[in-house]
Amino acid sequence: ILNVEQSPQSLHVQEGDSTNFTCSFPSSNFYALHWYRWETAKSPEALFVMTLNGDEKKKGRISATLNTKEGYSYLYIKGSQPEDSATYLCAPAPFGNEKLTFGTGTRLTIIP
Amino acid sequence: GAVVSQHPSWVICKSGTSVKIECRSLDFQATTMFWYRQFPKQSLMLMATSNEGSKATYEQGVEKDKFLINHASLTLSTLTVTSAHPEDSSFYICSATSGLAGGQTDTQYFGPGTRLTVL
Repeated sequence: ILNVEQSPQSLHVQEGDSTNFTCSFPSSNFYALHWYRWETAKSPEALFVMTLNGDEKKKGRISATLNTKEGYSYLYIKGSQPEDSATYLCAPAPFGNEKLTFGTGTRLTIIP
Repeated sequence: GAVVSQHPSWVICKSGTSVKIECRSLDFQATTMFWYRQFPKQSLMLMATSNEGSKATYEQGVEKDKFLINHASLTLSTLTVTSAHPEDSSFYICSATSGLAGGQTDTQYFGPGTRLTVL
């Protein structure tokens, strides 16, 4: 079982502010990292799949970076909006294994 | 696109009864479906992986005779919790992949989950 850590566990951010949080995972045998956004009472929504060291992906105001050598990824949200309130999950997939191991998530609350 | 439904969204049952949860991919063919369980304040824990037409592969510690998984078609997988007991109360959620990207980069599309309460 992979050790996946996400920090912080929860975060309150004022509307309009930018924020970021971290996903740490074992760097050995790494293949891909998935980020999901999970709003209450909805299905988790796929945000990004990242594979290359130094990769950066962007979707609107949300972006993510990946460091496979040291085993971490940052998720950034620029100009937070109330609709960004959700739990953000990361899940690495090791080489040769399609199974995802999820972190416990970062619960983001945007304060209007 | 890529919508996965799950039914029921919540269920309450008596101890000793069996409960079936359905997971459907509505607009794509799912070569692989996954079943997860989440206990309060914990992460999603993979229970089993199923491929259409073949037996499910269960994770260590998951009883295959208790959690019966059937993946009879490319759009439907079912999880049956047999002889449910209060300790089986949990949040169960499925996901499905189309297999287009291949392996570890395949996006898993999730259903909304099922809250099971066993009295």
